[in-house]
Amino acid sequence: LAKTTQPISMDSYEGQEVNITCSHNNIATNDYITWYQQFPSQGPRFIIQGYKTKVTNEVASLFIPADRKSSTLSLPRVSLSDTAVYYCLVGDIWTPLVFGKGTRLSVIA
Amino acid sequence: GAVVSQHPSWVICKSGTSVKIECRSLDFQATTMFWYRQFPKQSLMLMATSNEGSKATYEQGVEKDKFLINHASLTLSTLTVTSAHPEDSSFYICSAIKASGGALTGELFFGEGSRLTVL
Repeated sequence: LAKTTQPISMDSYEGQEVNITCSHNNIATNDYITWYQQFPSQGPRFIIQGYKTKVTNEVASLFIPADRKSSTLSLPRVSLSDTAVYYCLVGDIWTPLVFGKGTRLSVIA
Repeated sequence: GAVVSQHPSWVICKSGTSVKIECRSLDFQATTMFWYRQFPKQSLMLMATSNEGSKATYEQGVEKDKFLINHASLTLSTLTVTSAHPEDSSFYICSAIKASGGALTGELFFGEGSRLTVL
């Protein structure tokens, strides 16, 4: 299972763009990269998933370089409600996802 | 979107009793579900993989006789914490795979979590 490394925590002011980078040096060919958001006492919530290049949805963008050894989650114009823990996970859909420590994002007014 | 529901959301029990937590996929069939445990301020720890119609696969260090998993139907998996003790107090989260593309791909959905407090 590919191991991931993320910053433990990040702070940002409201309205700023936040980029969280995740390293996954031993990603396998069949592995997808998926980001989840978790609020206290709630289950993780899917944010975005990608395999290569760039993926964008209504809440975030995911940038994946050609070697796929890292990925960057971009949250545009964060608000206080984006304060949460963000997890980067790597794997194929049928392999149980192993959670790393995640990145605790604190958005400040 | 697909929904995975857990019940109960929270439960308090006395030490030595058993507690059952249900995980249901509400609008799709899930042959595979996963159970996680999360302690305060920590990440999710995978406990086991639950497969419909077969025995669960437990992660190293997880006692299969203490954490009984049953996946009797395509929409329900249950986790029973037997003879619960205070150290079993935790947030238990399940997830289910909604397959697509002829099961070649799919999406993973998480339940809301169940908080267990053992007194």
